[in-house]
Amino acid sequence: DVKVTQSSRYLVKRTGEKVFLECVQDMDHENMFWYRQDPGLGLRLIYFSYDVKMKEKGDIPEGYSVSREKKERFSLILESASTNQTSMYLCASSLTNTNEQFFGPGTRLTVL
Amino acid sequence: KQEVTQIPAALSVPEGENLVLNCSFTDSAIYNLQWFRQDPGKGLTSLLLIQSSQREQTSGRLNASLDKSSGRSTLYIAASQPGDSATYLCAVIRGSGGGADGLTFGKGTHLIIQP
Repeated sequence: DVKVTQSSRYLVKRTGEKVFLECVQDMDHENMFWYRQDPGLGLRLIYFSYDVKMKEKGDIPEGYSVSREKKERFSLILESASTNQTSMYLCASSLTNTNEQFFGPGTRLTVL
Repeated sequence: KQEVTQIPAALSVPEGENLVLNCSFTDSAIYNLQWFRQDPGKGLTSLLLIQSSQREQTSGRLNASLDKSSGRSTLYIAASQPGDSATYLCAVIRGSGGGADGLTFGKGTHLIIQP
């Protein structure tokens, strides 16, 4: 089975802190994705990566950056956390030929 | 811009009923469509993937159909059980060219199966 893991289930940070969310997949997938999920807005794509060191903006990239130094690992970075970034963050991975996406358990981030 | 709509937003039925969840999308030039299940506070579990060249996929008591020309997909759940209670999400790849791209999601159908 595909396994996507995220570094934390719950995280509490203060406004202005730099925040790192880590995602690791164990199935040699080329593609990795970061989404956020908010009540009433659903899931929205923040960034994705189709190869090591490659990244593409999603629908809501403002306030975020990403890093992919190794194929299995994709990091989401909040340079200066703000209260409107309080959300559930979900990581996913896929193979290019099917793009069937597999999700991690999510990180519930609260910014105070 | 692709938009995905799911109807109904919520559904409550007695155990044992067969039910249908609906998903519609505005741009018929999709690469594939994926159905997910999400339990409260958890991540998404992939249920079925339908490629654009396919019309349906089956897994156990689940059957998903795809009609690209009308921009619709349905998820059929047979003989529902309390353990099927969850939110069901439909999603399509944002672009039509395949390859790597993110998904555009509907807002989901919250399903409750009454014992």
